[in-house]
Amino acid sequence: DGGITQSPKYLFRKEGQNVTLSCEQNLNHDAMYWYRQDPGQGLRLIYYSQIVNDFQKGDIAEGYSVSREKKESFPLTVTSAQKNPTAFYLCASSPYQGANQPQHFGDGTRLSIL
Amino acid sequence: KNEVEQSPQNLTAQEGEFITINCSYSVGISALHWLQQHPGGGIVSLFMLSSGKKKHGRLIATINIQEKHSSLHITASHPRDSAVYICAVRSQGSARQLTFGSGTQLTVLP
Repeated sequence: DGGITQSPKYLFRKEGQNVTLSCEQNLNHDAMYWYRQDPGQGLRLIYYSQIVNDFQKGDIAEGYSVSREKKESFPLTVTSAQKNPTAFYLCASSPYQGANQPQHFGDGTRLSIL
Repeated sequence: KNEVEQSPQNLTAQEGEFITINCSYSVGISALHWLQQHPGGGIVSLFMLSSGKKKHGRLIATINIQEKHSSLHITASHPRDSAVYICAVRSQGSARQLTFGSGTQLTVLP
């Protein structure tokens, strides 16, 4: 079945460490997105990518980095510069960015600081 | 003021009740999405609409573009409908992606 796979489901980080969250899709979608979800708040866009080797900052990109070397993969690195990384992270994809298309979501990764 | 406001934030209903969740937005939009987030965190897209009404099973979504308002209705609610329901909009002419409401936590009691 086609879908989006995020791993790991739970991730723990020590202070000062970088961690990378994986997102893979086999839907052949061009566009991919990373969102952060905090309690009581709506999802906020961290980064998005419309095509391979291109990505754009979202609303809260500081302290995060991404790459899009392959169409099916869009990993998110939470760097030590992100001062409050504890949150639920969701990856999504859609066929292409230009038109209205439903986004398909992964099951998320919950990141906690030790 | 948030661009997307949902009400109520929390809703508890008895099995079988008719449920309405509301979404108001403040910008011109090209589409509005209703999403369902299960307790484990995964999100499923329920509806995408830009006008009128859509129905899928016991779920009905309506939108009034002039009033900048949308509603999600659940008929004959069931405990398995318990989830967070999220409204999201795509602004007209925006290269950015969706703007999300903070969600409505629905609990349906047996």
